[in-house]
Amino acid sequence: GENVEQHPSTLSVQEGDSAVIKCTYSDSASNYFPWYKQELGKGPQLIIDIRSNVGEKKDQRIAVTLNKTAKHFSLHITETQPEDSAVYFCAASGYNQGGKLIFGQGTELSVKP
Amino acid sequence: IAGITQAPTSQILAAGRRMTLRCTQDMRHNAMYWYRQDLGLGLRLIHYSNTAGTTGKGEVPDGYSVSRANTDDFPLTLASAVPSQTSVYFCASSGGQTYTFGSGTRLTVV
Repeated sequence: GENVEQHPSTLSVQEGDSAVIKCTYSDSASNYFPWYKQELGKGPQLIIDIRSNVGEKKDQRIAVTLNKTAKHFSLHITETQPEDSAVYFCAASGYNQGGKLIFGQGTELSVKP
Repeated sequence: IAGITQAPTSQILAAGRRMTLRCTQDMRHNAMYWYRQDLGLGLRLIHYSNTAGTTGKGEVPDGYSVSRANTDDFPLTLASAVPSQTSVYFCASSGGQTYTFGSGTRLTVV
């Protein structure tokens, strides 16, 4: 089955710096790669996603890149702000998973003022 | 109700007791899921349901059961709780590929 590895497990940056979180997946048939943000005491919420026919997608300060050949995708947050502090999860899904999301282990991002 | 409601928000449970975690959605999504979240392990799928009347096993189904009598409700039952089931449990639903999560149930088995 699909396996998703996420790094780093924790990341600390200064406000205004950029943050990058990386994920690799094992099933070459996976075609959908979302990123979820989980704030303290809440459930994860979708912040951005990318499909396998696209290499990059941006939404204001966040962007996701996908390298299908290498089977990895990354989340980029620019000009980080304290409210970006949260746990971020990557995930992958495709036909072989029946559309179900397989999540990475999560990254705890801390943005220091 | 807006989205997904989980109950209770937290619970301390004696080992060996039976417990049902409740999950209700009002979005008429066909698919629903139960995940457990443990530090360093991320979100692991316990059980899922693609549509009312059907259920399936995820990555870590042992010790848990689910039912899907209707579209809105997807309860998760621990028949005889053990300490290793101490975790935060999230219910989710999807109408396509985007998941909507509840706020979670924090369960401690002692």
